[in-house]
Amino acid sequence: EAAVTQSPRNKVTVTGGNVTLSCRQTNSHNYMYWYRQDTGHGLRLIHYSYGAGNLQIGDVPDGYKATRTTQEDFFLLLELASPSQTSLYFCASSDWGEGQNTLYFGAGTRLSVL
Amino acid sequence: GDSVTQTEGLVTLTEGLPVMLNCTYQTIYSNPFLFWYVHYLNESPRLLLKSSTDNKRTEHQGFHATLHKSSSSFHLQKSSAQLSDSALYYCALSDPGYQNFYFGKGTSLTVIP
Repeated sequence: EAAVTQSPRNKVTVTGGNVTLSCRQTNSHNYMYWYRQDTGHGLRLIHYSYGAGNLQIGDVPDGYKATRTTQEDFFLLLELASPSQTSLYFCASSDWGEGQNTLYFGAGTRLSVL
Repeated sequence: GDSVTQTEGLVTLTEGLPVMLNCTYQTIYSNPFLFWYVHYLNESPRLLLKSSTDNKRTEHQGFHATLHKSSSSFHLQKSSAQLSDSALYYCALSDPGYQNFYFGKGTSLTVIP
């Protein structure tokens, strides 16, 4: 079974604070994704990457940076957190090929920005 | 661009009644993959079923869906709802050209006794 681990599971910070969300996958997948989940909006893609050192912009990138340091590790950075970034964040991994395009999600990080 | 529409945001059903959650999509890609993901409270979202074959029924865990390219639809159905089906359901589309996934806004299904 594919494994995606996120940390921390819960985080509280203040407006203007600096937050890093971590994600590690042991699936040997090339692609990794950061989503945020909000009621009424569903899952929205923030950033994604197809390998170490690569970064692709998603649909809601404003206020977020990301970095893929290795095939396994993908980080989401909020350098000046705002209350609008209070959300449930999911990391996911996937590979692409014949029938191999399934997303595997982590357990999520619940972020509150006060 | 690619998009997925789920018309119902909230669905409440009585146990035993049939489930139908709507999903339509838009894509320029001729061979998309369509997915249903399920997100139970306090768990990770996970794949429920997927298909890329036109007019072929796909089944898993009592749920089924058929991709109809003629109507750009991939509706999720189940003959009899169970309390344990209460969850958030996402329809999604993948575009192999861009190695990306497009999600609908989700349908929250609540099954009551």
